[in-house]
Amino acid sequence: DIQMTQSPSSVSASVGDSVTITCRASQGISRWLAWYQQKPGKAPKLLIYDASTLQSGVPSRFSGSGSGTAFALTISSLQPEDFATYYCQHDNSFPLTFGGGTKVEIK
Amino acid sequence: EVQLLESGGGLVQPGESLRLSCAASGFTFSSYVMTWVRQAPGKGLKWVSIINGGGDITYYADSVKGRFTISRDNSKNTLYLQMNSLRAEDTALYYCAKKVTIAGHNWFDPWGQGTLVTVSS
Repeated sequence: DIQMTQSPSSVSASVGDSVTITCRASQGISRWLAWYQQKPGKAPKLLIYDASTLQSGVPSRFSGSGSGTAFALTISSLQPEDFATYYCQHDNSFPLTFGGGTKVEIK
Repeated sequence: EVQLLESGGGLVQPGESLRLSCAASGFTFSSYVMTWVRQAPGKGLKWVSIINGGGDITYYADSVKGRFTISRDNSKNTLYLQMNSLRAEDTALYYCAKKVTIAGHNWFDPWGQGTLVTVSS
């Protein structure tokens, strides 16, 4: 099974800051990675797929990069509504797996 | 508008069974891959199972293989998860989710609101 490792597990930042979250796959997964946002008490929401394609309706301050085993999600100019937990997910093979999550908290 | 509404969760004892349902609307249900993902209280997301549009191709996480069965009734626009031999570690909020596109890779959006399964004696 492919393991997905996210870092950091949590990050404190202020409104207006730029934040980068990384996700590492235990083996190469080409560009088959997505990022989800989950707010407390809510279902996850797809932000980015195919490593860098923005899902419809997602603000352009979210961007994704990477291929192979190393990926990143960057949120430029954090907004109050961006404080949430973020998960990566691969689709290189079954079983699908998610990263452990990164909580973005208000400093 | 695409809507997914899970139901069927509840409190059961170890070893018992439960069937979850996910009622879908707002899209051509039979055309889309659907999945179940669970989240234990305070924990991260764990993929459970996936089924193709026709219902004849399924995959499972190792932790549920042989105990859970995913299925769908395209005439009722409903996805199911039959869960047998439940264990305490199956306690979680269970989400159903729709694959974003008919083709392409398995990315999921939207997700339902989830249904809570608690396994405890």
